[in-house]
Amino acid sequence: RKEVEQDPGPFNVPEGATVAFNCTYSNSASQSFFWYRQDCRKEPKLLMSVYSSGNEDGRFTAQLNRASQYISLLIRDSKLSDSATYLCVVNPRSGSARQLTFGSGTQLTVLP
Amino acid sequence: NAGVTQTPKFQVLKTGQSMTLQCAQDMNHEYMSWYRQDPGMGLRLIHYSVGAGITDQGEVPNGYNVSRSTTEDFPLRLLSAAPSQTSVYFCASRGQGAANYGYTFGSGTRLTVV
Repeated sequence: RKEVEQDPGPFNVPEGATVAFNCTYSNSASQSFFWYRQDCRKEPKLLMSVYSSGNEDGRFTAQLNRASQYISLLIRDSKLSDSATYLCVVNPRSGSARQLTFGSGTQLTVLP
Repeated sequence: NAGVTQTPKFQVLKTGQSMTLQCAQDMNHEYMSWYRQDPGMGLRLIHYSVGAGITDQGEVPNGYNVSRSTTEDFPLRLLSAAPSQTSVYFCASRGQGAANYGYTFGSGTRLTVV
């Protein structure tokens, strides 16, 4: 079993749609959680950290369920510019530089 | 602009050649890491460093060496290139106290070994 598993996608949605991505992680001791965005042939960029209470940044909402070891990302009112691959990232131990583990990503295409 | 700078952006090597991928950051970050990204595999950690003079192996270290003589630089050396090392390589860094703020990545080096 992979340490971090994501919906494989691809997701093709119309502009204005709401889309949700899911991610599960296997290490129950994991401490830090992130969503990164990666555009085609570019480097990953931090989209948002994920906190236990859930957090929102504009049209983006991230949720964490520690009991189920599950992370989600919700994008509301999708824009063409949201088209990218979204990476779920887990750091099993707070402050650890070693084990930043990446999911293989979910590809999103927002259609006009 | 502040950030993580990787060179070269593209490289073609012949099997058996050696080379060094350069990574430099100007943010005074303690933590630096090297990842490789292959289709369907996600990013996998090669080597990492928590400060000058300190390095350790990641998930896929074989065939690669690193050193960290300064805070700013973290070069990755391919000892004897193999076709299996064809990949996109990313260097990343973050501050020691920034566990909740994620890593900053360089723009990557696309390496082809023929």
